[in-house]
Amino acid sequence: AQSVTQPDIHITVSEGASLELRCNYSYGATPYLFWYVQSPGQGLQLLLKYFSGDTLVQGIKGFEAEFKRSQSSFNLRKPSVHWSDAAEYFCAVGAGNQFYFGTGTSLTVIP
Amino acid sequence: SQTIHQWPATLVQPVGSPLSLECTVEGTSNPNLYWYRQAAGRGLQLLFYSVGIGQISSEVPQNLSASRPQDRQFILSSKKLLLSDSGFYLCARAASGGYEQYFGPGTRLTVT
Repeated sequence: AQSVTQPDIHITVSEGASLELRCNYSYGATPYLFWYVQSPGQGLQLLLKYFSGDTLVQGIKGFEAEFKRSQSSFNLRKPSVHWSDAAEYFCAVGAGNQFYFGTGTSLTVIP
Repeated sequence: SQTIHQWPATLVQPVGSPLSLECTVEGTSNPNLYWYRQAAGRGLQLLFYSVGIGQISSEVPQNLSASRPQDRQFILSSKKLLLSDSGFYLCARAASGGYEQYFGPGTRLTVT
């Protein structure tokens, strides 16, 4: 069965520090992978996606993610976090007509 | 542009009352449409998805139902709300020619 695990429920980083949010998935075929961001009271915004090809994908707002098939991971990174990056982040796997979401990682940014 | 509208934005309803949440999509034909629920501090739970008019798949047995009366309209309903129905309801569509999903702004439902 398909599943997505985000092991970190909450992360706190200082503004300007680097960030890595972890995501592990379980899926029998080549996965379609996504990262979304959600600000409080808002819908989800697509940050980036991986379908195939280069395993390092660039997204909006300076985010990138790396697909590692051997580790079943798709971790999200940003070199320097801004206060406006404080939000909830969701990793997702696409399978057929459906998406499977992780439970999310809440990011707090300290000035 | 392909825009998703959700109405209403917020709603407070008593237990036992009916519910109707509407989602409409602009700029695309025959999209796959989805309803998700997000409880406080939790992830997204897929409730229903639809691949066309009148075609609804239910993922979780519950107090809710969905309908798709028009190509770009997706409605979430309940005959009698429960306290556990409180949450943030999100409508999404699958990208035309792609695979990713795009989300509407959501409806905050509080059942009292």
